[in-house]
Amino acid sequence: QSALTQPASVSGSPGQSITISCTGTSSDVGGYNYVSWYQQHPGKAPKLMIYDVSNRPSGVSNRFSGSKSGNTASLTISGLQADDEADYYCSSYTSTHILVVFGGGTKLTVL
Amino acid sequence: EVQLVESAGGLVKPGGSLRLSCAASGFTFDNYAMYWVRQAPGKGLEWVSAISSESRYIYYADSVQGRFTISRDNAKTSLYLQMDSLRAEDTAVYYCARRAYSGYEVDYWGQGTLVTVSS
Repeated sequence: QSALTQPASVSGSPGQSITISCTGTSSDVGGYNYVSWYQQHPGKAPKLMIYDVSNRPSGVSNRFSGSKSGNTASLTISGLQADDEADYYCSSYTSTHILVVFGGGTKLTVL
Repeated sequence: EVQLVESAGGLVKPGGSLRLSCAASGFTFDNYAMYWVRQAPGKGLEWVSAISSESRYIYYADSVQGRFTISRDNAKTSLYLQMDSLRAEDTAVYYCARRAYSGYEVDYWGQGTLVTVSS
C-alpha cells in the first residue's frame, strides 16, 4: 500500500480538463510544500511535470498545473491531448525517517 | 546534457547479491543528492534510497533497510546500490535519479535497469 493515495484511473475527452488527487497526511503533503508530479509513458522513465506543489519546470506545457489544500494535492491537465495519456505519480517529502514517498499512480485515458 | 546511465541488472537467485552502479555526467555531481527509485513490473514507483552530496545523510525505505546500501564516489561521479539478501519482491526496474538542487523532486532520471530475483 502506497503512502500517498491516488485514484487508480481517470479519463477525459480531448480538449477537456481533468484533475488527479493525491492524499497524504500532515507528515507529508499537508505539512510541506514539496509535492511533485511525474508523467510516465509505457516503457519510459518518468518525467517531472510539477514541483513544489505548483511550479512547472522549463519546457512543461502550461496546460499542467498543481495545487494543494490541506492533506490533498491535485494535478490538473487542461485542454487534454492524446499524448497526455500516461501514468501520473505524485510524490512528497515526508518528515518520517524515510524522506520521500510516492503515490500509487493514476492511469489517464484520453477517450 | 545531464546523463545518468545505470549498469546492467540481471537475474539473481533469492538470497543473492547484486551491485548496481550509475555513471553521471553533464553536471557537477558532488553538488547534488541522489536517489534510487524502483518500479516492479506493472506496478508504481517506489522510492528506495537517498544519499546527500557528501554522503553525510543516507535514507532507506523500510522495505530495503538493512539489506541495501547506497554509496557514491564523487571522484568517479558514480552512484551505487549494493543489494544483498535479495527477495522475489525486489524484482523491478531500478532508476538512478538526481534530486533537484533545492527541493526533494527528481529532476533527471536514468533509463532504468531491470533486476530479476528468481530461482
